[in-house]
Amino acid sequence: AQTVTQSQPEMSVQEAETVTLSCTYDTSESDYYLFWYKQPPSRQMILVIRQEAYKQQNATENRFSVNFQKAAKSFSLKISDSQLGDAAMYFCAYRRGLLYGGATNKLIFGTGTLLAVQP
Amino acid sequence: NAGVTQTPKFQVLKTGQSMTLQCAQDMNHEYMSWYRQDPGMGLRLIHYSVGAGITDQGEVPNGYNVSRSTTEDFPLRLLSAAPSQTSVYFCASSTGQGAGQPQHFGDGTRLSIL
Repeated sequence: AQTVTQSQPEMSVQEAETVTLSCTYDTSESDYYLFWYKQPPSRQMILVIRQEAYKQQNATENRFSVNFQKAAKSFSLKISDSQLGDAAMYFCAYRRGLLYGGATNKLIFGTGTLLAVQP
Repeated sequence: NAGVTQTPKFQVLKTGQSMTLQCAQDMNHEYMSWYRQDPGMGLRLIHYSVGAGITDQGEVPNGYNVSRSTTEDFPLRLLSAAPSQTSVYFCASSTGQGAGQPQHFGDGTRLSIL
């Protein structure tokens, strides 16, 4: 079975600084996707960034980027120029690809990292 | 755009009562899912559906029933509420066209069982 581990329950960063959130996963599958979701106090689940396992290039979305190390099964999120609005719970999630058949709408989540941004 | 709509947003029940959490999406998505979120445990999959008339169990299905009679709706039923079902419940939907498509989440239902 696939598992996702986020070993940092809480992190803190100063406004305008850079912070990296860690995520590791365990799988024997070769076709999968990885996601980072943000959950602010409003409770909404907001997609931040996604990475396809077959793509070696790290995904980037504005101030958010990932460091995808497939062999190490590591998928960290880097937030540059942190803003007060980045304060939230961040979840790493795994989703299997189509290669193995069956339903692919099942997300496996880590336990989350609560990010505080200090002004 | 309405997206994924969950009702109610908050609910308090007594042990043994039954209720249905509603979920509706207007994006014509094939896939729909229910998750529960508990402190320190992330989100865990309860049930999911890949299309109308097709449902299956996720990681934590006990105590919950689902049905999918239409593409738009995917209600979650608690048959006999227990305090262990106190949680925040999220409904999500996504297109079936590729596993990389993001899931769209509703705003959640906070459920307390006394």
